[in-house]
Amino acid sequence: EPEVTQTPSHQVTQMGQEVILRCVPISNHLYFYWYRQILGQKVEFLVSFYNNEISEKSEIFDDQFSVERPDGSNFTLKIRSTKLEDSAMYFCARGPGTVVGTQYFGPGTRLLVL
Amino acid sequence: EDQVTQSPEALRLQEGESSSLNCSYTVSGLRGLFWYRQDPGKGPEFLFTLYSAGEEKEKERLKATLTKKESFLHITAPKPEDSATYLCAVQADYGQNFVFGPGTRLSVLP
Repeated sequence: EPEVTQTPSHQVTQMGQEVILRCVPISNHLYFYWYRQILGQKVEFLVSFYNNEISEKSEIFDDQFSVERPDGSNFTLKIRSTKLEDSAMYFCARGPGTVVGTQYFGPGTRLLVL
Repeated sequence: EDQVTQSPEALRLQEGESSSLNCSYTVSGLRGLFWYRQDPGKGPEFLFTLYSAGEEKEKERLKATLTKKESFLHITAPKPEDSATYLCAVQADYGQNFVFGPGTRLSVLP
């Protein structure tokens, strides 16, 4: 059973469009993360989110990306003006009760930018 | 820069043929090392967390060990259902993010 659920499971979009990927935790947690995995490549960290604020982000997470928790439950990743190279699996993960420790991943959203 | 490498890149075993996967890491200060299993098109599934050199964890046919520079995932008498990509990740003591290795793709043939 996944620790978080993600919607949609698949998304196809045209280059230049905006997409919103959603993550819904099974229970209340404070730490959330977004990672991406381009086909055949490593899982890469994008951003961490703690107590409704970004706590850490990678070089990949530029102005094209944003995260928020609009209703205190769902956790979203927005990608503005998508590019071909944004095509990847995007994973949401939830952390333990502290910054240290295991992260539990969701099933992912496969994004294809045409 | 924190780095994680894994070897071999791919491994084919006969059912029952035991082997080990290697994860070598370079990190300024290790907060934790994590092993995951990933099936095609799925999210990483948590297996083990190791925090300090000398630590060992076991689960069914899998055993993970940790030294100051590397970790091993030992697979004893594997079954076809153990076929997957095994990912290693480290968390440094200065941050929250995980740095993943490229994975080892394991195939266990009946």
